[in-house]
Amino acid sequence: TQLLEQSPQFLSIQEGENLTVYCNSSSVFSSLQWYRQEPGEGPVLLVTVVTGGEVKKLKRLTFQFGDARKDSSLHITAAQPGDTGLYLCAGARWNAGNMLTFGGGTRLMVKP
Amino acid sequence: NAGVTQTPKFQVLKTGQSMTLQCAQDMNHNSMYWYRQDPGMGLRLIYYSASEGTTDKGEVPNGYNVSRLNKREFSLRLESAAPSQTSVYFCASSSLNNQPQHFGDGTRLSIL
Repeated sequence: TQLLEQSPQFLSIQEGENLTVYCNSSSVFSSLQWYRQEPGEGPVLLVTVVTGGEVKKLKRLTFQFGDARKDSSLHITAAQPGDTGLYLCAGARWNAGNMLTFGGGTRLMVKP
Repeated sequence: NAGVTQTPKFQVLKTGQSMTLQCAQDMNHNSMYWYRQDPGMGLRLIYYSASEGTTDKGEVPNGYNVSRLNKREFSLRLESAAPSQTSVYFCASSSLNNQPQHFGDGTRLSIL
């Protein structure tokens, strides 16, 4: 069992649809980061959320940090083929030297 | 903008061979990390270096050693490669432990 569980693991949708990806844990995090990874490349940071209940928007992407700082969600509105990729959440814990722990990832495919 | 550079990009080894993966960053970051990425497992931390001159074990350190050669460079060594070490290896750096990480493009390592 991973510390950070992401769901779903795989998601295939049509262009224009909305989707939500979840990142859940029983642990409390000091901050949580979302990354996107494309084939053959390393992950690239999308956003960092720090405060419980925080909502951040990045164009069509909306990120939310749970009130209890144990979970997060990523919502994409009107998905486009360019959104295709592996989405990873990563949490930092105070009692682990603030090192990041990554979830298993959600692989998203958006079909034109 | 080089960022984080990893060499080599691809490598095939025989069981029992040794090799060193190289990583260099040009962002003057204090912290550097080595991860392995396996299907469905996200990124798992092998070793990290919070600052020049220090190294610590991560989640999966067995079979690996590291050297923080200077502030820019952090290498990962497999002394006696095993098939279970077949994976994609990513190096990353950040200004501090819990800050966003910048990743290289990975080394794809196959051990036969």
